[in-house]
Amino acid sequence: AQKVTQAQTEISVVEKEDVTLDCVYETRDTTYYLFWYKQPPSGELVFLIRRNSFDEQNEISGRYSWNFQKSTSSFNFTITASQVVDSAVYFCALTPLGQGGKLIFGQGTELSVKP
Amino acid sequence: DGGITQSPKYLFRKEGQNVTLSCEQNLNHDAMYWYRQDPGQGLRLIYYSQIVNDFQKGDIAEGYSVSREKKESFPLTVTSAQKNPTAFYLCATRDGLNTEAFFGQGTRLTVV
Repeated sequence: AQKVTQAQTEISVVEKEDVTLDCVYETRDTTYYLFWYKQPPSGELVFLIRRNSFDEQNEISGRYSWNFQKSTSSFNFTITASQVVDSAVYFCALTPLGQGGKLIFGQGTELSVKP
Repeated sequence: DGGITQSPKYLFRKEGQNVTLSCEQNLNHDAMYWYRQDPGQGLRLIYYSQIVNDFQKGDIAEGYSVSREKKESFPLTVTSAQKNPTAFYLCATRDGLNTEAFFGQGTRLTVV
């Protein structure tokens, strides 16, 4: 089975706190791609990061960082020094090989950053 | 500007009616997708098309139909057979497996 699980439905933090959004995936494929998307209240999904299954290097982009660990099938996302503008729903997604490029999404984590 | 245009933004349907949601792209991407989002849930794939005049069912295709007569367009029809059509519908395009998908702004469909 191919599946993405985001166990945290809602997270609430105060501005400037660090927050980590968890993502665990299941796939039998050896080649696959992982993604994080942000969905602000407007509804459109905004791409944040892509990782392929052969690249386990962690990545940092400004206040955002991602930790990919194949051993635990996890692809966690950390926001450092959160800001009110980070409030949104965040989705982790998996693209397996050979299925037309479809994305398999987790249930999403709603992040609320309070001033 | 390059991008994906979905219309209308809001759509109201009476029970028993078919409605068609529009998705147009000028990104020149071959693959196009329709996803459905219900409150508090992730996106689920309805249909996808990797090339003109060809499309495949996704995970929840029952009650929906699509066409792909032009590369730029991938309309979705929600038929009266769809038992619970009230949802947020997102269209996406992609230029290969190792690239990100681009999404439209969505259509919110409500059955009245």
